[in-house]
Amino acid sequence: GENVEQHPSTLSVQEGDSAVIKCTYSDSASNYFPWYKQELGKGPQLIIDIRSNVGEKKDQRIAVTLNKTAKHFSLHITETQPEDSAVYFCAASYGNAGNMLTFGGGTRLMVKP
Amino acid sequence: GAVVSQHPSRVICKSGTSVKIECRSLDFQATTMFWYRQFPKKSLMLMATSNEGSKATYEQGVEKDKFLINHASLTLSTLTVTSAHPEDSSFYICSASLQTYEQYFGPGTRLTVT
Repeated sequence: GENVEQHPSTLSVQEGDSAVIKCTYSDSASNYFPWYKQELGKGPQLIIDIRSNVGEKKDQRIAVTLNKTAKHFSLHITETQPEDSAVYFCAASYGNAGNMLTFGGGTRLMVKP
Repeated sequence: GAVVSQHPSRVICKSGTSVKIECRSLDFQATTMFWYRQFPKKSLMLMATSNEGSKATYEQGVEKDKFLINHASLTLSTLTVTSAHPEDSSFYICSASLQTYEQYFGPGTRLTVT
């Protein structure tokens, strides 16, 4: 099955700095890679995703890059704000229908004002 | 769009009783719903996948007789924890998807078994 590794497990940055979270996956058949933000006591919220036919995708301060050859993808947050503080999870699709997700271990991002 | 609700948000029950958690897709019809379990400061672990009108598919190690899943309609799935024990205490989260890849998550249900 699919295995997703996520690093770092915790990340502390100063407000305004950039934050980068990296994930690797094992199944070369995976073709959908979403990123979720989870605040304390809440469900994960989809913030951005990328499919395997695209190398990079950007949405305002958030961008995701994908390297299918190396089987890794990254989340980039620029101009971080205190409200970006949360746990971020990457995931990779698997399964016959490709609609099941394996999650990384999560990254706790702390943005210091 | 793509709003998923869960009810209840918190529940406390006595050991040996059963608890039902509802998951609803509010503004779309979900072909597939997923149930996850999350321990404190841990990642999400898939418990089962359910499609409307058919039996749920459980992940390895998840007891199907203990965690009963019903997907009665395209907007409602329920998870019943039967004969709950303290070790079943956890954060249970559902998600729903259309025929595409995206999964939209509910707000979660905190179950505490005393």
